Amino acid sequence: GAVVSQHPSRVICKSGTSVKIECRSLDFQATTMFWYRQFPKQSLMLMATSNEGSKATYEQGVEKDKFLINHASLTLSTLTVTSAHPEDSSFYICSARDRDTAYEQYFGPGTRLTVT
Amino acid sequence: GQSLEQPSEVTAVEGAIVQINCTYQTSGFYGLSWYQQHDGGAPTFLSYNALDGLEETGRFSSFLSRSDSYGYLLLQELQMKDSASYFCAVRRDDKIIFGKGTRLHILP
Repeated sequence: GAVVSQHPSRVICKSGTSVKIECRSLDFQATTMFWYRQFPKQSLMLMATSNEGSKATYEQGVEKDKFLINHASLTLSTLTVTSAHPEDSSFYICSARDRDTAYEQYFGPGTRLTVT
Repeated sequence: GQSLEQPSEVTAVEGAIVQINCTYQTSGFYGLSWYQQHDGGAPTFLSYNALDGLEETGRFSSFLSRSDSYGYLLLQELQMKDSASYFCAVRRDDKIIFGKGTRLHILP
């Protein structure tokens, strides 16, 4: 149990385009999902907290108009990187908190974004 | 704010024991977690300490001292597959804040 999936696993897009990444909790309901970004050989940096049915809360320094987050259901959150630039190339990881187990979070496999 | 300090790299020999330390400064501390991440993969949960003391899970153990704002991850009987990055993380409110990670190199 407690599986989180992400789609796509890898994506290459051209500079200036937008790309959407999906995060799904497959066998549990997640009222809260989290989006992280990880550059090579660095730590996971929390970008935003996504709550079902409400606006996401962004960490300091993260542009909310560039990284659009939608948490439309208890099993799906999406991150859209708008007007992507090469510096947005990174590993994007989501995690989901099980509604029934309080603080336990489960991580997705990550999405490797390359902007050319 | 919050900060977590852990060594950037540790090297050990296959079959040996290694300890990865973590010190933290944070408000609203709930507990200390440890995650393992292999290159190109997502972090996987190893352990969580909310109270002082040692938690053992197979070859891995984790320790927490809240008064010292300190914890460690102990890996025993090291195997080559344990080569990975290890992150300590604190839970603050409903968020997980990660340390910078320790890259564990294992020599045959």
